[in-house]
Amino acid sequence: QKEVEQNSGPLSVPEGAIASLNCTYSDRGSQSFFWYRQYSGKSPELIMFIYSNGDKEDGRFTAQLNKASQYVSLLIRDSQPSDSATYLCAVPAASGGSYIPTFGRGTSLIVHP
Amino acid sequence: GAVVSQHPSRVICKSGTSVKIECRSLDFQATTMFWYRQFPKQSLMLMATSNEGSKATYEQGVEKDKFLINHASLTLSTLTVTSAHPEDSSFYICSARPPGLDRDTEAFFGQGTRLTVV
Repeated sequence: QKEVEQNSGPLSVPEGAIASLNCTYSDRGSQSFFWYRQYSGKSPELIMFIYSNGDKEDGRFTAQLNKASQYVSLLIRDSQPSDSATYLCAVPAASGGSYIPTFGRGTSLIVHP
Repeated sequence: GAVVSQHPSRVICKSGTSVKIECRSLDFQATTMFWYRQFPKQSLMLMATSNEGSKATYEQGVEKDKFLINHASLTLSTLTVTSAHPEDSSFYICSARPPGLDRDTEAFFGQGTRLTVV
């Protein structure tokens, strides 16, 4: 069974610090990786996706992918209290000729003033 | 990004009744839609994959006769919770995927439906 693993947290960081969120996956053939943010009581929203090894930056967010080690991480620089949310890692898993988004359990991030 | 509209956002129903939740892709045609359930402080649990014009594929442990899914058009999928009971109370979320390479195409989420069965 293809799995996506995340530490549930909570990860607590002070305002202005770098928050580092990690995700490991079991399917070595996975090619694309997505990070979603979910506020309490709301549905997830996409914040980053990455396909290639290395880093991808978008504003305060950086996704890092290491296919050899099968992990993908999300760095949030200059963390703000508004970044407090659950961050979900998603990896499409092959199933019956299609790809099904497979989500990790999510990491709860708390940014305190 | 693409817009997926889910309705209603919140519903309270009596035990034993049925509830229908709609998921619409507003600006793209979605051949595949996904239905998730999420209990408080838990992860998203995929219930079923809905393909336009064919029967839904249910995940193990999800009762297909209780959670009826209809994907009759490329922009609309519905989930009907039949004979709802308090343990069905949860946050139900749909997502829709635009056409493209499945592996590299993100799915867009609806706003979610908070179902409370009393």
